[in-house]
Amino acid sequence: DTAVSQTPKYLVTQMGNDKSIKCEQNLGHDTMYWYKQDSKKFLKIMFSYNNKELIINETVPNRFSPKSPDKAHLNLHINSLELGDSAVYFCASSLEGWSEKLFFGSGTQLSVL
Amino acid sequence: AQSVTQPDIHITVSEGASLELRCNYSYGATPYLFWYVQSPGQGLQLLLKYFSGDTLVQGIKGFEAEFKRSQSSFNLRKPSVHWSDAAEYFCAVGITGNQFYFGTGTSLTVIP
Repeated sequence: DTAVSQTPKYLVTQMGNDKSIKCEQNLGHDTMYWYKQDSKKFLKIMFSYNNKELIINETVPNRFSPKSPDKAHLNLHINSLELGDSAVYFCASSLEGWSEKLFFGSGTQLSVL
Repeated sequence: AQSVTQPDIHITVSEGASLELRCNYSYGATPYLFWYVQSPGQGLQLLLKYFSGDTLVQGIKGFEAEFKRSQSSFNLRKPSVHWSDAAEYFCAVGITGNQFYFGTGTSLTVIP
């Protein structure tokens, strides 16, 4: 019954590896997001995506790429992981844009060693 | 520069005491304003939002917030804090298009 679910909850990996985080929402929402929360709890938008357009935060390295197989899924692929990528990554969704309530997943804690 | 500021990084209150968390923004026009709460190990949950109309907004869990245009503020309040309110609180503002930003957060500790 979880509205926005993301897996895995914890991800520990070595520098240089490629990893993916999966996100699924069962709310029928049109817009999905990926946020990065650093150790100081600062939240930064990485991507927002609906079935019409992908908005990329220009500060996000191109090692990060969202992949949406369908409207209910927005996965995050990360290539060549770096130490600075360690953070908690949150998936979120909304009916249409940020003016609607954002529903968040419970986060994926990524640790790059 | 446009920004949303939460001046208090950490606040500690006693259970049963009143609470006020501050949020200030600096944008030319009145933005859309939100408060979200993040419990430990969880994602964020919307408490309340303000778009227009009555400047005092009621939210879930007994929270309210007041928009004050003259002070560019949207402070969150609760008359009596419960231990379960201990969490991280984020103010957020939305302008137009894709301009939506979270503040830096205020961590709330509740002591018995």
